[in-house]
Amino acid sequence: QSALTQPPSVSGSPGQSVTISCTVTSSDINSYNRVSWYQQPPGTAPKLIIYDVTYRPSGVPDRFSGSKSGNTASLTISGLQTEDEAYYYCSSYINSWVFGGGTKLTVL
Amino acid sequence: QVQLQESGPGLVKPSQTLSLTCTVSGGSISSGDFFWTWIRQPPGKGLEWIGYIYYSGSTYYNPSLNSRVTITADTSKNQFSLKLSSVTAADTAVYYCARAPAVRFLVKSFDSWGQGTLVTVSS
Repeated sequence: QSALTQPPSVSGSPGQSVTISCTVTSSDINSYNRVSWYQQPPGTAPKLIIYDVTYRPSGVPDRFSGSKSGNTASLTISGLQTEDEAYYYCSSYINSWVFGGGTKLTVL
Repeated sequence: QVQLQESGPGLVKPSQTLSLTCTVSGGSISSGDFFWTWIRQPPGKGLEWIGYIYYSGSTYYNPSLNSRVTITADTSKNQFSLKLSSVTAADTAVYYCARAPAVRFLVKSFDSWGQGTLVTVSS
């Protein structure tokens, strides 16, 4: 069982905003930093879209933003586009590197 | 722009050792700015960190796999490799190599990934 819990799926219409949560289940909350997010369209390798909770690598649109409050990190995608349809994974170092179970984003 | 490419057998028999190599181009694995990483993804499932290596040879492994994993680096070939022993069907997965930027020896993300290679464990 993953130490990072994500909703299995979220959906939204083009132009809308969606938020994907990532909650740490470990009691070691103090280690819950270094949060990163990855986008994985079907059949492709994951791509880094957020690191250090809030930072975007060069080339990632500013429609993607990250935040954290307490034991929950969040990825928000605003102005949804059809090409955003993918799986999204959070990751953090909690005694070891762990990934969330993944969230499937469907753009209706 | 760094590129990573996995290579190795796509089929491994149960109880044998899985061996993969990642060839890095557009950057040097001898750079002290990165850890070189293996991550896997069973079909239809999520991602699992296997471990990484620093150019000095220091290695860090997932505790759940620690007893079966060895990651090594060949700086002369700009490659790093994974060996996973005593494999079972549960080790069937797409195996990715990736680069992890390190700031003051602290890894914060995995910023470049290979395309991945499917390894099936079956007799």
